[in-house]
Amino acid sequence: DAGITQSPRYKITETGRQVTLMCHQTWSHSYMFWYRQDLGHGLRLIYYSAAADITDKGEVPDGYVVSRSKTENFPLTLESATRSQTSVYFCASSKNSVDTQYFGPGTRLTVL
Amino acid sequence: ILNVEQSPQSLHVQEGDSTNFTCSFPSSNFYALHWYRWETAKSPEALFVMTLNGDEKKKGRISATLNTKEGYSYLYIKGSQPEDSATYLCASPFPNSGGSNYKLTFGKGTLLTVNP
Repeated sequence: DAGITQSPRYKITETGRQVTLMCHQTWSHSYMFWYRQDLGHGLRLIYYSAAADITDKGEVPDGYVVSRSKTENFPLTLESATRSQTSVYFCASSKNSVDTQYFGPGTRLTVL
Repeated sequence: ILNVEQSPQSLHVQEGDSTNFTCSFPSSNFYALHWYRWETAKSPEALFVMTLNGDEKKKGRISATLNTKEGYSYLYIKGSQPEDSATYLCASPFPNSGGSNYKLTFGKGTLLTVNP
């Protein structure tokens, strides 16, 4: 189906493990984004990408790594998960940096 | 610091009440103002994008206005229903530090609860 999807939808991992969250969009949008949802902070931008092979830090990038080898995919990796990274992660895409962003369904990550 | 502020933080209304809440943003370098609706356990969905001073947009019982000169937008809900319960986010693009691109900056949202 067309749209933006995230996988897995739920993940439980342990402190220190590496975790990769996947995001895939079928619109050929140039821009893709990763946010985390935290109580009291709303949506906070982790990383974004303007095009394949172009990524930039957002508000809270520490502890995360991204790559964008293909336009349609934007994986987010937690290199060594910490409990503070327990959150709901949303991926989004848009045609350009000022246009409407379309959000994926979210991944709920728990780090024990 | 470029901030998008929303008020109130939360709001409880009775079914049938009309309500409104505010988004304020820096009026300099204004490009656009977005409103999103975010239901619990779902993902944010776009409601409106507004760009011109004096813009008004409407979608069913929900409408929004924009004042770019004073830096605010109002979201109105007429005759609130329980299904309107959600967090309403506004966002505005701001240029990044190099000025070469824009980043959409979100407010923290207004949580609306409509009691039956």
